[in-house]
Amino acid sequence: GAVVSQHPSWVICKSGTSVKIECRSLDFQATTMFWYRQFPKQSLMLMATSNEGSKATYEQGVEKDKFLINHASLTLSTLTVTSAHPEDSSFYICSASTDYQPQHFGDGTRLSIL
Amino acid sequence: GENVEQHPSTLSVQEGDSAVIKCTYSDSASNYFPWYKQELGKGPQLIIDIRSNVGEKKDQRIAVTLNKTAKHFSLHITETQPEDSAVYFCVVGGNQFYFGTGTSLTVIP
Repeated sequence: GAVVSQHPSWVICKSGTSVKIECRSLDFQATTMFWYRQFPKQSLMLMATSNEGSKATYEQGVEKDKFLINHASLTLSTLTVTSAHPEDSSFYICSASTDYQPQHFGDGTRLSIL
Repeated sequence: GENVEQHPSTLSVQEGDSAVIKCTYSDSASNYFPWYKQELGKGPQLIIDIRSNVGEKKDQRIAVTLNKTAKHFSLHITETQPEDSAVYFCVVGGNQFYFGTGTSLTVIP
């Protein structure tokens, strides 16, 4: 149980385009979803926390107009990287939870901006 | 915020030996301590967790111990196997997760 699916797993696109990443909880209702960013050989860095039907709470230093998060249902959250540039290239991972603990993670999306 | 330190950053053990990873934290109000295993190109997978009202928890070859007074907790893997090779993260949690810096474990066949 507690499966989280993230799509796509890998995306390559040109600089200036927008990219949408989906995160779905397949077998449970996720009241809270989290979006992380991970650089090579580093730990996960929390970007934002979203509760279903509410605006996301962004961590300090994360541009909310750059990284748009929507949590429209108890099983789906999306992260849109707007006007992506090479410095946005990274591994993005979502997690989902019911009542915050534990968090169940997706398998991540590798984003490469050319 | 919480300050989580994890040691060692890399660990190599012979197959069949034990591996121990330790983490310390700063906020005594923290009450949830999961461990995650991350394989290359994958997301973190929960392997064991412990809450602050328990001192030790075991699941087959994996165990976690918690010392709330000293504010540290440890992951113990016994009879290690090559498939245990991965990066392990300790986490200190409440409503938000604070990740340790990770330990890259290599089990040598």
